[in-house]
Amino acid sequence: DAKTTQPTSMDCAEGRAANLPCNHSTISGNEYVYWYRQIHSQGPQYIIHGLKNNETNEMASLIITEDRKSSTLILPHATLRDTAVYYCIVREDSSASKIIFGSGTRLSIRP
Amino acid sequence: DTAVSQTPKYLVTQMGNDKSIKCEQNLGHDTMYWYKQDSKKFLKIMFSYNNKELIINETVPNRFSPKSPDKAHLNLHINSLELGDSAVYFCASSQDGTGWAEAFFGQGTRLTVV
Repeated sequence: DAKTTQPTSMDCAEGRAANLPCNHSTISGNEYVYWYRQIHSQGPQYIIHGLKNNETNEMASLIITEDRKSSTLILPHATLRDTAVYYCIVREDSSASKIIFGSGTRLSIRP
Repeated sequence: DTAVSQTPKYLVTQMGNDKSIKCEQNLGHDTMYWYKQDSKKFLKIMFSYNNKELIINETVPNRFSPKSPDKAHLNLHINSLELGDSAVYFCASSQDGTGWAEAFFGQGTRLTVV
């Protein structure tokens, strides 16, 4: 079972920042927070991950609260191509760890 | 170059048939996975192999049998197909050993059982 909860859907205006929240109140010390997205009819795509510190890459920023019980994925300048289902996942630091997807947040970018 | 490739992309078959889906990754990763995405869009892990050895086997009917001839390939064989097996099946790979490795997914195989 997924260890995260996310809103079912969100929308954002094109060009604005999209902030996607995720709750993971039962996260343990050796679990990372991952974000993936799935654009319609495609395979899931890795976006970003983090453990404790905030992270940024060319796609997005990840803000993790100090207690690590929640996080926010930020797409700084959303485009129509960012319309997708976004999955927040917690995963153990283990070679046998599973990537377990929840129901995700369906993000719609409006022109 | 496609990192994780699955064939076929679409598969339509009758109930009771046996079919296979192939997956290959050219990333040099140690771990490969099979996921099933049903009509409600839930992605569920089915199997995980690490260096050709099965490490995760979720509650999946034994009609489903993964086979890994080498660490770059993880094929999925399905015997006696049923209507409920209709779904999109995704293959993925990651360089595990630590938990921070990202996974790369294939484009999926849409299986329709009629």
